[in-house]
Order: sequence, then C-alpha cells, then structure tokens
Amino acid sequence: GNSVTQMEGPVTLSEEAFLTINCTYTATGYPSLFWYVQYPGEGLQLLLKATKADDKGSNKGFEATYRKETTSFHLEKGSVQVSDSAVYFCALIPYSSASKIIFGSGTRLSIRP
Amino acid sequence: GAVVSQHPSRVICKSGTSVKIECRSLDFQATTMFWYRQFPKKSLMLMATSNEGSKATYEQGVEKDKFLINHASLTLSTLTVTSAHPEDSSFYICSARNPGLSTDTQYFGPGTRLTVL
Repeated sequence: GNSVTQMEGPVTLSEEAFLTINCTYTATGYPSLFWYVQYPGEGLQLLLKATKADDKGSNKGFEATYRKETTSFHLEKGSVQVSDSAVYFCALIPYSSASKIIFGSGTRLSIRP
Repeated sequence: GAVVSQHPSRVICKSGTSVKIECRSLDFQATTMFWYRQFPKKSLMLMATSNEGSKATYEQGVEKDKFLINHASLTLSTLTVTSAHPEDSSFYICSARNPGLSTDTQYFGPGTRLTVL
C-alpha cells in the first residue's frame, strides 16, 4: 500500500542552523509528493511540491527533491529562523488517486533564538 | 486566494449529544471537500470525501451513520458527529480543492477541536 514515513520530532535547532527533515515513501507508480506546514493555531498550508522524479520543489528557502531511487523527499533549509517553528507534514497523492492525500505523522520543529 | 474556514474552532459537548462542524471555502467554489481526523501526535486520517450535490464517500472503517456529511453548496460542507462519545474526541480538519488553481492541491481549514465529556 501507500504510506509516508518521516522522522519523529520534536526537532530543536538554533537560529541560522541547517535543517533536514527526512521523509521516505512507499507507493506504486509515480506519486506526487508534498510538504505541508502547520503553524501554531493555524491550518495546514502547502509549502512545496514535486510531481515527478528529480523535480525540486522550493518555497520560502525550503527545498525538497523527488528521489525515486531512494523513495525519498527530504526537506532542507540552509538557515532556519524562529518563524519557521511549526509542524511539518510530508505527504503523497498516489498516481491512481486524483485527490486522496496520505500524510506522514508530522515533525514538530522548534527554533531557538 | 484559497481560504478555508471552520466553525467552531473548539467545542465541548456531553456524551450522547450531536455536534455539527462547518467547513467553508471563502473565496472559491469547492466541488470537493475532505474531512480528516487528527489524533495527538499522529498523522491526519482521511475520513470522507464530500462532493457537492451527492453523497459523501467514506473511507474504510468510518461509520457513515456516526459521521454525517452534507455538502449542500459549493462553499459549505458540514460534518455532524452524532451521539458523540469520549472516543470521538479529536481534532477534525477539513480541506477543499480549488479546481481553478490546481487539481492536486488541497487548502486546509484551521481545524476544530472536539472534546466529548
């Protein structure tokens, strides 16, 4: 079946540190891959996405590359800010489904000033 | 834009009562809305897909008579938790697709925290 596994949090970093949140997936065919972010008290927002192998999604300094050979979509940012503190969800939409999103369990990120 | 709101944001009810949660797309028409449930420190679990003007499609294991979904207009879907029990306490999140923007991106509401006493 289809599933998403991401690193458990919480992850605590100092401001300006390098961030990596690992995400791997299991899916048949070629799923679309997403990172969503949930800031405190708010709904989920789409952060970035990639729809085919070797695509790189990027937004607000965050990047993730669709790696089919390793079935991964790791989220990275070169220099985090306090405002990046949130919960990050890796997700996929299977090729066979137009809309059904499958989420990872979420990783809580806290950035210290 | 693509803003989705939910009401209420937080509700506490007694066991055995019913609770209605509203999901609205504020600046677009959503033919399809989705209802998720999020357990503490767990992922979002899709409960059902709500289609305007037709019956909702429920995921396996979700009781359709317990979680009534109505999508009466292109901007409103409601989830009614009937005869609520403490095990129904959870965070309920809706999302909507804006077909005018993207076919695979969903826009999420802020969630409703339900506590059943």
